[in-house]
Amino acid sequence: ETGVTQTPRHLVMGMTNKKSLKCEQHLGHNAMYWYKQSAKKPLELMFVYSLEERVENNSVPSRFSPECPNSSHLFLHLHTLQPEDSALYLCASSQGYGDRGYEQYFGPGTRLTVT
Amino acid sequence: GEDVEQSLFLSVREGDSSVINCTYTDSSSTYLYWYKQEPGAGLQLLTYIFSNMDMKQDQRLTVLLNKKDKHLSLRIADTQTGDSAIYFCADNEGRIYNQGGKLIFGQGTELSVKP
Repeated sequence: ETGVTQTPRHLVMGMTNKKSLKCEQHLGHNAMYWYKQSAKKPLELMFVYSLEERVENNSVPSRFSPECPNSSHLFLHLHTLQPEDSALYLCASSQGYGDRGYEQYFGPGTRLTVT
Repeated sequence: GEDVEQSLFLSVREGDSSVINCTYTDSSSTYLYWYKQEPGAGLQLLTYIFSNMDMKQDQRLTVLLNKKDKHLSLRIADTQTGDSAIYFCADNEGRIYNQGGKLIFGQGTELSVKP
């Protein structure tokens, strides 16, 4: 496979469940990102990892827990979510992270519905 | 903080040109990007422009940058029904000491192309 892949593509979970979203990039990039896209809102950056180290954490509730075991994989662990967390969760990667302005490549997203 | 603004909707007829506009507030922007999102999909990088350029052309796409007015536009020539999508403008929050690199996205412009 090429590019950025995300699994699952769709997820329905109850508020008491625990689930994980997975992202994998096949581009040899060193930075990976989680974004939340809600209807009628701009994309919200959640987390950034650069060289497997978390470099951005934008005031995201602790019920979202990221994990980056290596530069190709990124996870988002979910527990005790709220209905307002229902959204499209997008993963992206870039060659680097910094002032140069590396373009980001996005996966197809996971459509999450919290019931 | 930084802000990126776009109009929410644009409707054109097939074969016409489309112009999608974006304004941003960060005077230290290094790169500005245009992404396309089709229904049910992630964001696809269309093109980008470096801040020392006024114009960039790539096949049917023309990007114009007015740094003085902090205005960015994307022109799509000979618009086709397959161009119907949401188009996002993004500003690289570049900083001098390699502590930036976040993309700040606009709300997206939904382009509708009528046959």
